[in-house]
Amino acid sequence: NAGVTQTPKFQVLKTGQSMTLQCAQDMNHNSMYWYRQDPGMGLRLIYYSASEGTTDKGEVPNGYNVSRLNKREFSLRLESAAPSQTSVYFCASTVLQFSSYEQYFGPGTRLTVT
Amino acid sequence: DAKTTQPNSMESNEEEPVHLPCNHSTISGTDYIHWYRQLPSQGPEYVIHGLTSNVNNRMASLAIAEDRKSSTLILHRATLRDAAVYYCILTYNNAGNMLTFGGGTRLMVKP
Repeated sequence: NAGVTQTPKFQVLKTGQSMTLQCAQDMNHNSMYWYRQDPGMGLRLIYYSASEGTTDKGEVPNGYNVSRLNKREFSLRLESAAPSQTSVYFCASTVLQFSSYEQYFGPGTRLTVT
Repeated sequence: DAKTTQPNSMESNEEEPVHLPCNHSTISGTDYIHWYRQLPSQGPEYVIHGLTSNVNNRMASLAIAEDRKSSTLILHRATLRDAAVYYCILTYNNAGNMLTFGGGTRLMVKP
């Protein structure tokens, strides 16, 4: 049981390049999330998927797209990377517990855009 | 959205108890109080959550004020591994169940 896995761990992009961050969970969770964390800040929600087949914008969706490929996988795409997207990206998934939700986080992808 | 207020940083000595406060004066009746922590260079991890009653688990205890306007995360014996940023978060039972992270409290543990 690996929990939440993310690939790649590190990535350097040039401005204008595109890439996809991958996330997978093996806990049979319905909901999945993408957050970004800038240095010294808390996490901010980019997009989420409450269940397979649905996606919704979070607090900071501009410049990103997502795909909920199946129940296990939720990918985040940067179509044209900008230096402002330099950040650490975390994927998370949730399980229902005691009428509230505990989120499990992946180890993060550290992205630098030059 | 209801907000939380936490001190920016706190210090503790190893093997002593730590009380991390959180104010949430605009909390609504259906908001749960969650605590997460983030160790250096890692993703956040769930610590504990509660609604009205005090809660205990293997990691910590959560003490919730009777009026629910504040709560305290209690680490009974701090270890060096407990040095982390601790986030107090209010959640809603909506379809998204999104977490809104503030700045958190950076806990430093001295040997």
